[in-house]
Amino acid sequence: QTALTQPASVSGSPGQSITISCIGTSSDIGAFDYVAWYQQHPNRAPRLVIYGVTNRPSGVSSRFSAFRSGNTASLTISRLQADDEADYYCSSYTTSRTYVFGTGTKVAVL
Amino acid sequence: QVQVVQSGAEVRKPGASVLISCQTSGYTFTRYSIQWVRQAPGQGLEWLGWINAGYGHMSFSHKLRDRLTFNQDISASTAYMQLNRLTYDDTAVYYCARDLPDTGFFDFWGQGTPVTVSS
Repeated sequence: QTALTQPASVSGSPGQSITISCIGTSSDIGAFDYVAWYQQHPNRAPRLVIYGVTNRPSGVSSRFSAFRSGNTASLTISRLQADDEADYYCSSYTTSRTYVFGTGTKVAVL
Repeated sequence: QVQVVQSGAEVRKPGASVLISCQTSGYTFTRYSIQWVRQAPGQGLEWLGWINAGYGHMSFSHKLRDRLTFNQDISASTAYMQLNRLTYDDTAVYYCARDLPDTGFFDFWGQGTPVTVSS
């Protein structure tokens, strides 16, 4: 299973908005509503920030939002804060009954 | 509250096997699956497979399916992952995570188990 494609890095200033794309295929992102996003700070376990394409778990800031268009999912972080600096990964269930992660995006807050 | 606690760091020689445990608490173990994910140094997340705690169904990544084994002890709410015939490329932090079947996301993660393959 080929990893989903994400930009290697995205940056923004505090208060700005950024968007991370996640490009898949009709066998993963385009096939199910099982797209999730994870935030990972250095030397920490990943943390779920979006599930079911657009839903935020309890406790996750409303500054995180997501959507999907065709085979591409996107995560937007609004009103960027210093603590948002981390790696972000998308994931999707696939038609092979497996999961696949994105290549990961390093978000820098300038 | 939900807790997922993994066993400690391991060092193995090439060709050996490693067994990692994933002890859970705070929820009904058999209602969920356990997912396994690894992360090589400086690299991204790689999905390894899952085991459905209630039915014992499993799924494996195509890349590792011939070297990977999942098991569980329902009475102890603990899942296990064994990786055989280790190579240097298996050096990574291994994570387990809880997954409610048919939802597509992993909501509680273990702290990670570093595995180093070194001669």
